[in-house]
Amino acid sequence: EAQVTQNPRYLITVTGKKLTVTCSQNMNHEYMSWYRQDPGLGLRQIYYSMNVEATDKGDVPEGYKVSRKEKRNFPLILESPSPNQTSLYFCASSLDRKNTEAFFGQGTRLTVV
Amino acid sequence: AQSVAQPEDQVNVAEGNPLTVKCTYSVSGNPYLFWYVQYPNRGLQFLLKYITGDNLVKGSYGFEAEFNKSQTSFHLKKPSALVSDSALYFCAVRDGTGGYNKLIFGAGTRLAVHP
Repeated sequence: EAQVTQNPRYLITVTGKKLTVTCSQNMNHEYMSWYRQDPGLGLRQIYYSMNVEATDKGDVPEGYKVSRKEKRNFPLILESPSPNQTSLYFCASSLDRKNTEAFFGQGTRLTVV
Repeated sequence: AQSVAQPEDQVNVAEGNPLTVKCTYSVSGNPYLFWYVQYPNRGLQFLLKYITGDNLVKGSYGFEAEFNKSQTSFHLKKPSALVSDSALYFCAVRDGTGGYNKLIFGAGTRLAVHP
C-alpha cells in the first residue's frame, strides 16, 4: 500500500530536549516536505526536499532542521524545542516538483511544555 | 504572492441537502488549485484538482469543484451531503515560483453534516 508513515503520532516533551520526528514514504517520490498545522492558519511549509541531499527552507523554518540522506526518509529535527513549536506536524511527498498531488502522513501531534 | 482564502470557519448542512464550501484565490499566472479533506486523527487526503480544461472538476467521494476565473473562486460542492462527509476541508494553490512545488493552504473550513 502506498503510504507516508510518520512516527511518533503523539509526543509530549520538555523545552530544550532534542527530538526527531521520522517520515518515510514507499512510493519512490522525489519531493518531500514538512508542514505544521495550527488553528486558523491552515498548513504552513517548514522545509522541503527536491531529492537526496537537496533541502531548502519553506515559510516557517526557524527552530527546525531536516536531512535527506535517502530518498525514502525525511526526518524533522527540533534541536531545542520551545512551547511555540507545539503543533500538529505533517510530512508529505509527491512524485516530483512538477507533480503536485501530495500524499500526506497521518500527522504527529507535538506538545512542548 | 499566492494566497488562498476560505471565508467560512464552519459550514452546517442537513444530510441529503447540497453543500458548498467556498474558496477564493490570488495567484500570478495560471492557478493550480486543490481540495484536501482531513478526517479526525487522520492526515490530509486529496479530493480533486484543477490544472486546466473543464471548469467543473469531479473528484473523490462524489465531490466536485467549480473553477471560476472571473471570480477567482474554486468552490467545493456535493449534491447530497452525508453525515460521513463531516470533516475539515482545505483549499490549496500551488506556488510554482522559484521552480519548486509548494502548496499554499487556506485556513480550513469545518463541515458539519447533521442527520
